[in-house]
Order: sequence, then structure tokens, then C-alpha cells
Amino acid sequence: DSGVTQTPKHLITATGQRVTLRCSPRSGDLSVYWYQQSLDQGLQFLIQYYNGEERAKGNILERFSAQQFPDLHSELNLSSLELGDSALYFCASSVGQLAETQYFGPGTRLLVL
Amino acid sequence: DAKTTQPTSMDCAEGRAANLPCNHSTISGNEYVYWYRQIHSQGPQYIIHGLKNNETNEMASLIITEDRKSSTLILPHATLRDTAVYYCIVGHYNAGNMLTFGGGTRLMVKP
Repeated sequence: DSGVTQTPKHLITATGQRVTLRCSPRSGDLSVYWYQQSLDQGLQFLIQYYNGEERAKGNILERFSAQQFPDLHSELNLSSLELGDSALYFCASSVGQLAETQYFGPGTRLLVL
Repeated sequence: DAKTTQPTSMDCAEGRAANLPCNHSTISGNEYVYWYRQIHSQGPQYIIHGLKNNETNEMASLIITEDRKSSTLILPHATLRDTAVYYCIVGHYNAGNMLTFGGGTRLMVKP
């Protein structure tokens, strides 16, 4: 158990809908990262937040957005969902904002029908 | 970030050492080598990292060549639970924290 929690574990929705994925980092960790893993793209970095501020951005679509709240939990919002958004979404956390050990949550499996 | 090259798949007998190679010939002086693994569809798990010295922890050893252009992750006594995809990643310590995962090596530990 990494100490990072993600909810929900599974999510099934329809095209065009909007969903919110939630992540709670390990106690004491200030950075939260979001990754997407699909069958054809592998694990891809989406975005990082550090202590409430956006720190780095990767291949995140404009339809997707994230935020980190004062209690350091984070939410990833996915809107206007398409079939291709079906994937595993992982959240990770680390103590600081530099390149160091990241601890990954168990992921949310999203299926868009 | 430097790119890495890993074999697509490897087999290892249970109880034997698993040696997973990684080439990172374009690595720069301040880039670290990180190893993570992913068991089935679970979240990736940190294993070890290093800059230029060999490193060892309770999970594995990391051997980095003197020119830093390649490294080897060693699982000293592989078990069936070590069957996973192993990712070798290089990255700057001071330049943001994203991990760029490649294809990794699918290690199959066989009885």
C-alpha cells in the first residue's frame, strides 16, 4: 500500500459526459501528479500540482482539467468524454516538487461507452 | 530528457537473479536513473534510483556503468511476485518532476 488513495476504482460512463476523479496523497506529500495509461499510449504524464499550484504540464487535453485543494487532495476533471478517453488514470504523490520518488495510487479505471 | 532502450521482454527462473539492462547513451551529467515496476494493472512502484554510484536497497541493486550510458537492475532472488513490467527512466533532478515512461521490459519469472 503506497498510502495514495484514489476514488472511484471503476467508472463507466457515456460519451459526452463529465467525470471527476479524486486523489488523496500520502500524508506529508505536497506534490500530486496525474498519469493516463491506455493500451496504445502507455503511461503518460498529464499534470503536476505542488502545494496547490500547477507545477508542470504534460500531454493533457483541453477537455481535461485538474486542481489541488488546500487539504492537498486533487481532482482530475474529464469532460466531453470520448471513447478514446477510456484508460487507467493514476495519481502519484511526492514530498517536494523536484525529481524524486513518486508513490502511485491504485488507479481509476474509466470506461467510456 | 534522455531516452532509454530496454528489451521488450525477459524470462527468469524463480530463485535466480534477474538482470534487467537499460541503455541511456544520451544521458546528461545531472540526470538520474530511476527504476519503477508495474505489476499487472496496479500503480507503478518505485524500486531504486541512482546518479553514478551503484545503489542497493531491500528490493534491488542498481549498477551504473562508469560512462553512465547504461545500467542494470538486479533482482537478486526473483520470485513469482516479481513478474511485472520494469521501467527504466532518466530525468533531471532539478527540472520538474514528470516521469517519462517508455515501453519497459516485461519480466516473466517462471517456476
